[in-house]
Parts: sequence; structure tokens; C-alpha cells
Amino acid sequence: SSELTQDPAVSVALGQTVRITCQGDSLRSYYASWYQQKPGQAPVLVIYGKNNRPSGIPDRFSGSSSGNTASLTITGAQAEDEADYYCNSRDSSGNHQGVFGTGTKVTVL
Amino acid sequence: QVQLQQWGAGLLKPSETLSLTCAVYGGSFSGYYWSWIRQPPGKGLEWIGEINHSGSTNYNPSLKSRVTISVDTSKNQFSLKLSSVTAADTAVYYCARGLWWAAARYYYMDVWGKGTTVTVSS
Repeated sequence: SSELTQDPAVSVALGQTVRITCQGDSLRSYYASWYQQKPGQAPVLVIYGKNNRPSGIPDRFSGSSSGNTASLTITGAQAEDEADYYCNSRDSSGNHQGVFGTGTKVTVL
Repeated sequence: QVQLQQWGAGLLKPSETLSLTCAVYGGSFSGYYWSWIRQPPGKGLEWIGEINHSGSTNYNPSLKSRVTISVDTSKNQFSLKLSSVTAADTAVYYCARGLWWAAARYYYMDVWGKGTTVTVSS
């Protein structure tokens, strides 16, 4: 299957920790990558591979994976972390297509 | 620092062909998968397809019959054509640089263009 499922929305109090999950069969074969998208802007890569952050991404962002589930954790959420978050992987069934998760809206209270 | 600059027609009529181009500045063209992604208004991201420097392509099966992605390595550019557009193809279209290392289970897109809004309307 090429579907990646995410919770539609989560909220977190300022300074607290929030975990966003992504489920799909392809995650047994590939690490998820995670993207942050703010309104009117292009997505930005925040986590890739086992748990790697591109240059400039704060270390409060971290990733993990187990079985068919990948997680993005924001430890000490800041107001600027309010955004949509998408996971991404490759289809592992032979189609070789990329696939995005359904997206999670994170609200920082 | 790698930058992607994209352009193309923003308003199309139904049945026309969408055509977008993305230029790569400041980095190598080889070793990557050059990708197109779209986002309909108020909706999530949809992977359209990709091409590498040698011209090998992969497409989203749901769009494969209408999509062509090509590359011009002499100009460090790649292009998207989507035929027979309808209102359902109205979206912001992004180009992006992808890295795919299956043996290490890595796949990600680390550089993105700013996006081009394409509207299909009669």
C-alpha cells in the first residue's frame, strides 16, 4: 500500500512536547522524512533518515521509527512551530512512487 | 546554496496542457531525483513524479497517463507537462530536489521551489 496516515490535528501548550505520528506499510522499508509547511509557503524539510536534521533546523525537532509507524517529536514547542506537518516516504510495493502523509495541523496554545 | 526557480503558465482552460519548468542553480544536477509535487487549495501534498539526470522517470500511477517529466541537463532544468487538465488540477505546483538511497532506507526532498499557482477555469 502507498498510503501514509496522520492525525488531522493536534495541539500543544507553549513549551510542552508534542508527537506527530505517521502510519503506513512503506515505513517498514523506508525512514519517513518530515516537512513543515506554514501558510502560503513551500514545505521545509525538518527531519530525514533515522533522525537527521538539516542545517538550521532546531534540535527540538526529532524523529523516530518503529515498525510501520514514524514519529516526529517537538520538544519544547514554540509559537513559530505552529504549522502543517507532512510525512513522506517511497512506496515499497514496486511502483517506486513517492507518497505523502495526509498531514497534521499543529496548534501551539 | 542550491536554489530552484520555477515558472510556467498560471491560468489554463480545461483540456489544455499544463507546462512548468524548474531551473537548478548552485549545485550539481546529477545524483538526485528532480521532483514535482502539487497541493490543491486547502488540501495536502501530492507527489506527481520525478526524473534523474539520465532521464529515468517515476510517476504517480493516478496521473501517469497524463504526465511527462523531462530534463535538459545542458541548462540544469527539468520540466513538467500535464495534459487534458480539468478544474481538479488546480493547485500550487512545487519542484523539489530529491535524494533516494534505497539501501540506507533514505528518501527525502531537501530543496524546494517557491511554488507556482495554476488555475484551470473556463
